[in-house]
Amino acid sequence: EAQVTQNPRYLITVTGKKLTVTCSQNMNHEYMSWYRQDPGLGLRQIYYSMNVEVTDKGDVPEGYKVSRKEKRNFPLILESPSPNQTSLYFCASSPTGNYGYTFGSGTRLTVV
Amino acid sequence: AQSVAQPEDQVNVAEGNPLTVKCTYSVSGNPYLFWYVQYPNRGLQFLLKYITGDNLVKGSYGFEAEFNKSQTSFHLKKPSALVSDSALYFCAVRDPGRRGSQGNLIFGKGTKLSVKP
Repeated sequence: EAQVTQNPRYLITVTGKKLTVTCSQNMNHEYMSWYRQDPGLGLRQIYYSMNVEVTDKGDVPEGYKVSRKEKRNFPLILESPSPNQTSLYFCASSPTGNYGYTFGSGTRLTVV
Repeated sequence: AQSVAQPEDQVNVAEGNPLTVKCTYSVSGNPYLFWYVQYPNRGLQFLLKYITGDNLVKGSYGFEAEFNKSQTSFHLKKPSALVSDSALYFCAVRDPGRRGSQGNLIFGKGTKLSVKP
């Protein structure tokens, strides 16, 4: 089945403890992206990648890192999480810019 | 800079009535426009897109949207609403004319659609 897989689905962590949210797609898509969803703010793009080793900042990149060493994987790294990063995170992929993104099921992160 | 606005936080419709969820956009050139739907505790699902061509675009689940360049709008419509259409709807825009923007899809804040029996 063609899909975008994120792990974990739920995560509670403490301030300052480094964490990684994994994202993998099995559709050989060129583009991948991370979004966060917050009530009243909609979805805001964190980072996106147009190919292996090609990444760019979205609207809210502060406090996040990404890497694209393989086409299928696009992990989101929080080096020192803070409570304001408590949110619902979505990974997405797309074959080209002319197509919409296919989204994963989401990761609900709570930083205490 | 590109942006998209959904002026209504919530739209209430009776089942069987037509529905419209509004979206306006701002880009420097010709936009790529998308609609997504999010059901409770789920990810986003693609509904339809406008890239070029016919201004009326048909998508999944009986939804359609009309691209209006003069009004910079891309409203989502359905002739007869179902209770099962109740969900959160997002409009999104990309500016293909902007260098390096291929992956930069900007979303609106979302509109909650509530369809009552």
